[in-house]
Amino acid sequence: KAGVTQTPRYLIKTRGQQVTLSCSPISGHRSVSWYQQTPGQGLQFLFEYFSETQRNKGNFPGRFSGRQFSNSRSEMNVSTLELGDSALYLCASSATDISPSEQYFGPGTRLTVT
Amino acid sequence: GQSLEQPSEVTAVEGAIVQINCTYQTSGFYGLSWYQQHDGGAPTFLSYNALDGLEETGRFSSFLSRSDSYGYLLLQELQMKDSASYFCAVSSGNTGKLIFGQGTTLQVKP
Repeated sequence: KAGVTQTPRYLIKTRGQQVTLSCSPISGHRSVSWYQQTPGQGLQFLFEYFSETQRNKGNFPGRFSGRQFSNSRSEMNVSTLELGDSALYLCASSATDISPSEQYFGPGTRLTVT
Repeated sequence: GQSLEQPSEVTAVEGAIVQINCTYQTSGFYGLSWYQQHDGGAPTFLSYNALDGLEETGRFSSFLSRSDSYGYLLLQELQMKDSASYFCAVSSGNTGKLIFGQGTTLQVKP
């Protein structure tokens, strides 16, 4: 099976812009979770989508949003970018009905906000 | 709220055994997972404990005590390639939401 893929891998944006990141889960996985990783805050949960519905949400401002399509692919959007949004954004998929904590991570999108 | 504590750094020599502890405080607890992340790489799943006791997977074992809100990852026969960051993560339900600890950087020396 192909692994989790994320596009783009690298992105440079300026403050105030918006960005959309994409994630394609492992075939058959219906749960997609998004995480932000920074040196200072570590791995922080953003949100989880399951069957096109947001099932869980972390403590991030409303500028962070996401969605999931019928083929389980997911996107996350960050509007009005701030310098502090510079981070590695990771998505992970899991076969929730079997072992939701066994998550398979994509390589991440490295976002730099200038 | 939820919080997890694990040591920030651990150093060991090749062939040795190392234990990485994780204590957690959560409003709900479903299970404890462990992930490994090499520099520049993505986290990879190592193990999961939902019940008290020891789970063994090759050179790696993971332990959970729900009454003590405590778990550990045990790495045996350390190899240089085990140098990486190790994260414990708590799930509070049977969903894909994981709350991660800050990670433990393991350095394996020859």
